[in-house]
Amino acid sequence: DVKVTQSSRYLVKRTGEKVFLECVQDMDHENMFWYRQDPGLGLRLIYFSYDVKMKEKGDIPEGYSVSREKKERFSLILESASTNQTSMYLCASSPTGPGRGYTFGSGTRLTVV
Amino acid sequence: GQQLNQSPQSMFIQEGEDVSMNCTSSSIFNTWLWYKQDPGEGPVLLIALYKAGELTSNGRLTAQFGITRKDSFLNISASIPSDVGIYFCAGTQGAQKLVFGQGTRLTINP
Repeated sequence: DVKVTQSSRYLVKRTGEKVFLECVQDMDHENMFWYRQDPGLGLRLIYFSYDVKMKEKGDIPEGYSVSREKKERFSLILESASTNQTSMYLCASSPTGPGRGYTFGSGTRLTVV
Repeated sequence: GQQLNQSPQSMFIQEGEDVSMNCTSSSIFNTWLWYKQDPGEGPVLLIALYKAGELTSNGRLTAQFGITRKDSFLNISASIPSDVGIYFCAGTQGAQKLVFGQGTRLTINP
């Protein structure tokens, strides 16, 4: 069963901590994405990557960075966590080609205290 | 960034009722997709539409790609408790990146 795996379902971190959210896909997809989901705001794109070592900013990249050293792994980094980064974080991947749907992970619910 | 206009934002219905939701945009999309998100999980693809006018069914779900390529709707017939969740529309304009609607939260009273 192909899938996208996010390393943690729930995380609690302190303000100022450096936080790593890990995402691994086993479908050999070229494209990977990080979203955050907040009530009433839908899915907002943070960063995405079309290839290894390649990254592009999404709509809300401030306060985040990413790393893609291997094709199957895409990491989201919160350099200095703040309470306004408390959210559900969703990773997704897709193959190359127009209109190809995303496969999402189960999400990581991050609470920053 | 651009988002699709999805409505309604929430629905409260009785079990057995039919459900209808839609998504509109001011610009043309080449692909429309519908996702469902169960509580505490990531969204899962329900239906993908690739041609204007296309009507596709998946069990009790039916979705259509609007003729103008600026809208899409999703219907659910004879709703059941497991239909509860958030439904998202999404579209592409040729690039890899999906644009999402803000979601429709469906609640069903048994």
